[in-house]
Amino acid sequence: ILNVEQSPQSLHVQEGDSTNFTCSFPSSNFYALHWYRWETAKSPEALFVMTLNGDEKKKGRISATLNTKEGYSYLYIKGSQPEDSATYLCAPILTGGGNKLTFGTGTQLKVEL
Amino acid sequence: EPEVTQTPSHQVTQMGQEVILRCVPISNHLYFYWYRQILGQKVEFLVSFYNNEISEKSEIFDDQFSVERPDGSNFTLKIRSTKLEDSAMYFCASSVSRGGNLNEQFFGPGTRLTVL
Repeated sequence: ILNVEQSPQSLHVQEGDSTNFTCSFPSSNFYALHWYRWETAKSPEALFVMTLNGDEKKKGRISATLNTKEGYSYLYIKGSQPEDSATYLCAPILTGGGNKLTFGTGTQLKVEL
Repeated sequence: EPEVTQTPSHQVTQMGQEVILRCVPISNHLYFYWYRQILGQKVEFLVSFYNNEISEKSEIFDDQFSVERPDGSNFTLKIRSTKLEDSAMYFCASSVSRGGNLNEQFFGPGTRLTVL
C-alpha cells in the first residue's frame, strides 16, 4: 500500500496571503507525481505532473516543487484569491505502479475575503 | 473543451439491488478508470480499462463489480448486489494514451451512490 500524506489537512487564509502545503510519499521507486485541484461540486482538475528531482512547475499563481530523494512536494499559491478555495490532492506513482492514481487525503484550502 | 460526463448525478438504491453507473469518456482517450470516495475518506482507485479489458484493479474491485465498454462511447461500472458500504461518490476518468502515468487523467463530476 502506497502511503501518501498531505499536510495540513485544512487551511484558512485571507485573500492576498501566500500559502503552501506539503505532499509526502515514499522516495524509493518514484516515477511521477500528479497534483490535482478539486473544487466542491466539480470534477478534480489536473494541475501538474512532475517527474524530475528539483523540478518546478508553474501555472499562474500556483507553483510546485519536487524532491524525489526525500519524498516530498510543495504546492505554493501566491496571493490567494477566493477562487483558489478547493481541495488540493497529490498522487505519486511508483515505478511499476501502473496507471492508477493513489491520492493523499488532500489539503482543503479556504480563502476568505 | 471536451469533458468526461457521468450519469446519473445521484443514485439511490436498496441494499442487494444492482446498479449501473454510466460514463462517457473524452472521445479520443484510450484509458478509462473508476475511482470512488467514501465520505470523509481518500479517493480510491477501483479499476483501469484499456483495449476492452481490465488492465489493473484494486482489492476493492471484487466479483460484485464489473466494467464494460458496450459501444464506442460509454464506459459503465456495474455493482451486482449493492451493500451499505458501497455508498460513495464514484468518479470516472479517462486519459489519452498508454503513456499512462505521465498523462493527465480527466475526471467526470461523479455519481453519488446511496445504498439504503
